[in-house]
Amino acid sequence: ETGVTQSPTHLIKTRGQQVTLRCSSQSGHNTVSWYQQALGQGPQFIFQYYREEENGRGNFPPRFSGLQFPNYSSELNVNALELDDSALYLCASSSGSHSPLHFGNGTRLTVT
Amino acid sequence: GNSVTQMEGPVTLSEEAFLTINCTYTATGYPSLFWYVQYPGEGLQLLLKATKADDKGSNKGFEATYRKETTSFHLEKGSVQVSDSAVYFCALSVGARSNDYKLSFGAGTTVTVRA
Repeated sequence: ETGVTQSPTHLIKTRGQQVTLRCSSQSGHNTVSWYQQALGQGPQFIFQYYREEENGRGNFPPRFSGLQFPNYSSELNVNALELDDSALYLCASSSGSHSPLHFGNGTRLTVT
Repeated sequence: GNSVTQMEGPVTLSEEAFLTINCTYTATGYPSLFWYVQYPGEGLQLLLKATKADDKGSNKGFEATYRKETTSFHLEKGSVQVSDSAVYFCALSVGARSNDYKLSFGAGTTVTVRA
């Protein structure tokens, strides 16, 4: 059983640029969530996708956007990068309500 | 709003010592409570959970009891091993899809167990 995989593992971008992070969900999972984890803090919910539609959103500005594809993989896009966007971005998948989240190892984004 | 406050680390223990990590919460509604663990170089993993008051979650020798009267969900293990060294996160979610939706995490507690 393949777990949740994220790419790339590390990324360095310049302020004002755009970035796309990718996530392949675990086999059989139709729900994907994205979290931002700043250094020394707990993860913060960005949004969740269920069957290709956004299913809930945390307190993040519109420049954070996402997609989910028919194979349930997902992308997180961040426009107009700011220094504070530097963080570990975590993707998690599940097979729906009342099932546990399975997290990937994350993408470490550094904005300079 | 929903928030979780957990004991600040780092915590350093000797093998076979007793571990407690305190966690208290504030929630609008009736939350489900979770403990997640992040081992070095790995992703977050669900350690245990409880979905209603007085429920006890348990796994790998760890236990936590959902205490509604004190809004707490403290994590305990009676005898830790070096392999328990990790970062531990307390979390909650509220709502009809509470088991996997919009988790609110604490800041995490780093635990190091020395042989």
